[in-house]
Amino acid sequence: DSGVTQTPKHLITATGQRVTLRCSPRSGDLSVYWYQQSLDQGLQFLIQYYNGEERAKGNILERFSAQQFPDLHSELNLSSLELGDSALYFCASSVSGSPLETQYFGPGTRLLVL
Amino acid sequence: TQLLEQSPQFLSIQEGENLTVYCNSSSVFSSLQWYRQEPGEGPVLLVTVVTGGEVKKLKRLTFQFGDARKDSSLHITAAQPGDTGLYLCAGDSAGTASKLTFGTGTRLQVTL
Repeated sequence: DSGVTQTPKHLITATGQRVTLRCSPRSGDLSVYWYQQSLDQGLQFLIQYYNGEERAKGNILERFSAQQFPDLHSELNLSSLELGDSALYFCASSVSGSPLETQYFGPGTRLLVL
Repeated sequence: TQLLEQSPQFLSIQEGENLTVYCNSSSVFSSLQWYRQEPGEGPVLLVTVVTGGEVKKLKRLTFQFGDARKDSSLHITAAQPGDTGLYLCAGDSAGTASKLTFGTGTRLQVTL
């Protein structure tokens, strides 16, 4: 158990819909990362937050957005869903988000878009 | 775009055999990490290498960072069924933030 929690564990929805994935970091961690893992693209970095502020952006689509709240939990919002958005979405957390810090991954949310 | 290619893509071996997994890129990374991911779980960090030519050992696992910091290898001695999983390398580009670029992955199965 990494100490990072993600809800829901599974999500099935239809194309065009909007979903929200939630992540609670490890106690004491200020930085949260979101990743997408799909069969064809592998594991890809989407976005990083530190103490409520966006710190780094990766291959995140404009239809996707995220935020980190004052209590440090984070949400990833996916809108206008397409079949290709079906994937595992992981959240990770680290103490300060600096390079070389260990990132602790949650168990993931499996999203299926039908 | 920085790419990390891993080879082999799949590996099925018997308990007790040795194996090496490779992670190659045309880009230079400030550090490189290796993760193992088991079905239904998130990746778990095994090691971080920072210096070109660095070698780190973790029990039966030996990790090496290439001299030019563009490639890395993971060698497992006397593999055990518990080593089964998806091995991922991840490179971190220099900067104040951490933006990991993950490799394509090597799926290892160790059978009795």
